[in-house]
Amino acid sequence: EAGVAQSPRYKIIEKRQSVAFWCNPISGHATLYWYQQILGQGPKLLIQFQNNGVVDDSQLPKDRFSAERLKGVDSTLKIQPAKLEDSAVYLCASSLDSRYEQYFGPGTRLTVT
Amino acid sequence: DQQVKQNSPSLSVQEGRISILNCDYTNSMFDYFLWYKKYPAEGPTFLISISSIKDKNEDGRFTVFLNKSAKHLSLHIVPSQPGDSAVYFCAARDGNKLVFGAGTILRVKS
Repeated sequence: EAGVAQSPRYKIIEKRQSVAFWCNPISGHATLYWYQQILGQGPKLLIQFQNNGVVDDSQLPKDRFSAERLKGVDSTLKIQPAKLEDSAVYLCASSLDSRYEQYFGPGTRLTVT
Repeated sequence: DQQVKQNSPSLSVQEGRISILNCDYTNSMFDYFLWYKKYPAEGPTFLISISSIKDKNEDGRFTVFLNKSAKHLSLHIVPSQPGDSAVYFCAARDGNKLVFGAGTILRVKS
């Protein structure tokens, strides 16, 4: 069974630029999550999708972050414009349903200079 | 407001000995607790979990203990192996959401 795929693995941008991350969840997983992990901290949930609907985006900085999950499969997370404090690893995870264990992708390490 | 705390940033243990990783929480509404393990450049992988109605769950070398009155859980690894060296995250479920601790780096020396 293929795991959660993410791309790119690494990205370096300057502040005020835009960036997008892509996630392909495990086949058949209805729930998809985006987390932000800042160095020295645990993952923090940014947004949770159930199929193609948003379940929780209470911690998503909506003035600069956006996410979509078209057709309930792949998802894209965008930051526009980026700030220095957005430097972090962005993790995508999926689960069969919200009550089941989450499977994480390898993450995208973003550095904003 | 850190609802899940892992107060030990790192732990070093000799191969063959017991590793004990600790986690404290503040929210009494958490109903499920999980431990994830993370190697460098990889995403966290699920290790073991426990429901809030239990006080112990065991899976091979890994045992998780839950003390609800103290709002404390711990992960025991016996015997510890060099391949167990990783970052361990404690997580707690609040409704549909997982809240993670900051992690503990475990180093198992051979």
